[in-house]
Amino acid sequence: SAVISQKPSRDICQRGTSLTIQCQVDSQVTMMFWYRQQPGQSLTLIATANQGSEATYESGFVIDKFPISRPNLTFSTLTVSNMSPEDSSIYLCSVEDFLTGEQYFGPGTRLTVT
Amino acid sequence: KNQVEQSPQSLIILEGKNCTLQCNYTVSPFSNLRWYKQDTGRGPVSLTIMTFSENTKSNGRYTATLDADTKQSSLHITASQLSDSASYICVVSAKNYGQNFVFGPGTRLSVLP
Repeated sequence: SAVISQKPSRDICQRGTSLTIQCQVDSQVTMMFWYRQQPGQSLTLIATANQGSEATYESGFVIDKFPISRPNLTFSTLTVSNMSPEDSSIYLCSVEDFLTGEQYFGPGTRLTVT
Repeated sequence: KNQVEQSPQSLIILEGKNCTLQCNYTVSPFSNLRWYKQDTGRGPVSLTIMTFSENTKSNGRYTATLDADTKQSSLHITASQLSDSASYICVVSAKNYGQNFVFGPGTRLSVLP
């Protein structure tokens, strides 16, 4: 199994600012995933982050708004840029064990934009 | 369009009772189906993963069934406990699909004493 931690656990930010969320995994993984979960909704994939290459973004998400870094096999960051109240969500980091197919999620970062 | 639907949207039961949650999907081609439990303020935790050839899989008091012909799955919770109060999310993995995982909207279960 993989243990994932995220920082910060929650934050309240002002409109127009940016927040960087950190994701740390206790083992080396090839692919890390970033999800958004808006209030009362299920999860939506933002992007897939591979170490050593550009992140792959899903439809509706762009690098300028959600830049991602993946400097090594155990760490990734997601930045929410130029925030608006519509960005208020829980942001979750996830990894997949390709041997077992299990997917593990971090505890999430609860972001509120005022 | 690849979709996962869940019913009911929410459910309230008394402690000790059983309940069954439903999941219907139109995802194709199909790789596997997962059920997750998400406690409030936490990330989802995997309960079961089933491939095409599996009809049922249990994890303690949780039993998932899969009918790949009708594209339906259910999650049965036996002898519910207060700690079962959570959202239960059905997720279908599609081969050759960009997102790879198609998430259902979840069923919000509340277990009352």
